[in-house]
Amino acid sequence: AQTVTQSQPEMSVQEAETVTLSCTYDTSESDYYLFWYKQPPSRQMILVIRQEAYKQQNATENRFSVNFQKAAKSFSLKISDSQLGDAAMYFCAYRTPTRNQFYFGTGTSLTVIP
Amino acid sequence: EAQVTQNPRYLITVTGKKLTVTCSQNMNHEYMSWYRQDPGLGLRQIYYSMNVEVTDKGDVPEGYKVSRKEKRNFPLILESPSPNQTSLYFCASSFYAANTEAFFGQGTRLTVV
Repeated sequence: AQTVTQSQPEMSVQEAETVTLSCTYDTSESDYYLFWYKQPPSRQMILVIRQEAYKQQNATENRFSVNFQKAAKSFSLKISDSQLGDAAMYFCAYRTPTRNQFYFGTGTSLTVIP
Repeated sequence: EAQVTQNPRYLITVTGKKLTVTCSQNMNHEYMSWYRQDPGLGLRQIYYSMNVEVTDKGDVPEGYKVSRKEKRNFPLILESPSPNQTSLYFCASSFYAANTEAFFGQGTRLTVV
């Protein structure tokens, strides 16, 4: 079964601090792609960052970075210098070449405290 | 501008009254999909399409229909809506290659009374 687990339904962080959102997945495939999406109150789904499973180097996009541990099937998102605009629901997802489906987690609601 | 357009954004309807939510993309994507988002359940896939005239069931297809007659359009049809279909719906599209991201529509908030 292809599953994605986000074990933290809600998290909070002080403005300017760092927070890490966790994500684990279950797949028997060796080749796949991982994504983090942000959903602010506007409801729009926005891609934050992506990671290719064959790459050992962790992806980074400005204040957003991932900690990808393939053996542990873990793909956490680290947000540095948190800003009020980072407050949103965050979804982890992955996609495999064989089935080409996107599998999403249940989301983590992030609150940023001024 | 590259985008996925969903309509309507909000809809209140009565039980049993057929409705269609439209979805159109202008990026020439092969892959299109419908999701529903419910609190605590994340995004669950309803139906997806790999290309024109090719559709398949996702995880929660009961009570929904789709069609893919043109590459750009992928409407979601509720033949006889019920209150348990009250939800937030998203259409998404992507290129077929697995390393490409999904682009999402703005979402449709559907309430069935």
